[in-house]
Amino acid sequence: GQQVMQIPQYQHVQEGEDFTTYCNSSTTLSNIQWYKQRPGGHPVFLIQLVKSGEVKKQKRLTFQFGEAKKNSSLHITATQTTDVGTYFCAGGVTGGYQKVTFGTGTKLQVIP
Amino acid sequence: NAGVTQTPKFQVLKTGQSMTLQCAQDMNHNSMYWYRQDPGMGLRLIYYSASEGTTDKGEVPNGYNVSRLNKREFSLRLESAAPSQTSVYFCASSEYHGTGPFGPGTRLLVL
Repeated sequence: GQQVMQIPQYQHVQEGEDFTTYCNSSTTLSNIQWYKQRPGGHPVFLIQLVKSGEVKKQKRLTFQFGEAKKNSSLHITATQTTDVGTYFCAGGVTGGYQKVTFGTGTKLQVIP
Repeated sequence: NAGVTQTPKFQVLKTGQSMTLQCAQDMNHNSMYWYRQDPGMGLRLIYYSASEGTTDKGEVPNGYNVSRLNKREFSLRLESAAPSQTSVYFCASSEYHGTGPFGPGTRLLVL
């Protein structure tokens, strides 16, 4: 079945440093979504990418979808303590009903 | 506008006990989902309902049943709880799978 892997599993950064998490799917995706989950909270939808090679920005966050639609990345510039949490990607495959498979997540800790 | 609500927030069960987790949404979404999240893991889909009156198995359906009571409500039932079902359960709704809001979660401990 479809598998979605994320690396790294954990990342500690000094406040102000950049951070990147990578997402790789075993199959070609129709789209990819990114979520953020704060400690003790629920996942919050950040963005969806659909097109091959697509790049979207949200303030300090940059999201990329690979040309082959099998990988994606989230890059945070100049991290802040408010960026702490676990970032999940979720790969979607559309075929009648869209099936979404979540990655294992990258837990980001920002040291002030 | 409450979004997605879940009850209860916390629950402790003994092995073999049954319980129903409730979920409701007020956004008029057609699709609703139940996920479980285990420590250090992503979310795994238990069951989903693409529209009122339909339900389908997700990735990990064993040990669970669901009911789509109406367009607003989607419940998850554990008939005979097992320690392996200790987890955090999230309900979500959306018009298009993978983009909808999640509820606050139910933390379940099975002893």
